[in-house]
Amino acid sequence: DQQVKQNSPSLSVQEGRISILNCDYTNSMFDYFLWYKKYPAEGPTFLISISSIKDKNEDGRFTVFLNKSAKHLSLHIVPSQPGDSAVYFCAASGYSGGGADGLTFGKGTHLIIQP
Amino acid sequence: DAGVIQSPRHEVTEMGQEVTLRCKPISGHDYLFWYRQTMMRGLELLIYFNNNVPIDDSGMPEDRFSAKMPNASFSTLKIQPSEPRDSAVYFCASSPPDTSGGYNEQFFGPGTRLTVL
Repeated sequence: DQQVKQNSPSLSVQEGRISILNCDYTNSMFDYFLWYKKYPAEGPTFLISISSIKDKNEDGRFTVFLNKSAKHLSLHIVPSQPGDSAVYFCAASGYSGGGADGLTFGKGTHLIIQP
Repeated sequence: DAGVIQSPRHEVTEMGQEVTLRCKPISGHDYLFWYRQTMMRGLELLIYFNNNVPIDDSGMPEDRFSAKMPNASFSTLKIQPSEPRDSAVYFCASSPPDTSGGYNEQFFGPGTRLTVL
């Protein structure tokens, strides 16, 4: 049973507009969430994260929103640029604090930025 | 500074053969993770180590899979005997020690694409 779900396998957005990628989770023990970006033939690279005690985290063009009651998070990219075309993975951890823990990943959303 | 290094980048082998995948984490990182990516199951955690000690191996699919970390700068994932269903991309990732009580993100290597014929 998938504990982290990304229901949109792909998303096409025009350059300059906002990209919104969604993620749902089922395990209420998750307390830290991350977004990773992946280009073909490369490993995932960390993009942005959020702790369960927050509902928003912003880093430049990237903002992650967390709705704990709905078990839903989203990644907003504004404005979208051609280099943002990649597969985006939502990941979650149930770490107890300090250090790291294995991540549970969604299956990814392929974001395509149209010129 | 070099990132996580994995070798080989590509491996093609025949069913029944032993396969060894290698990983060198980022210097100073004390967590090391092995993940597998397939079309059906996506990215899934196989095992992770902290200070060279296996912490969680519940994701290792079966006894044919084994992982070791003999020292802080090297880890192996071995499949013996290999089967066609083991074909996947295997990623190694590392994470620095905790210094602030917060969560530390993982840095991924480029992966090893394994094909078992």
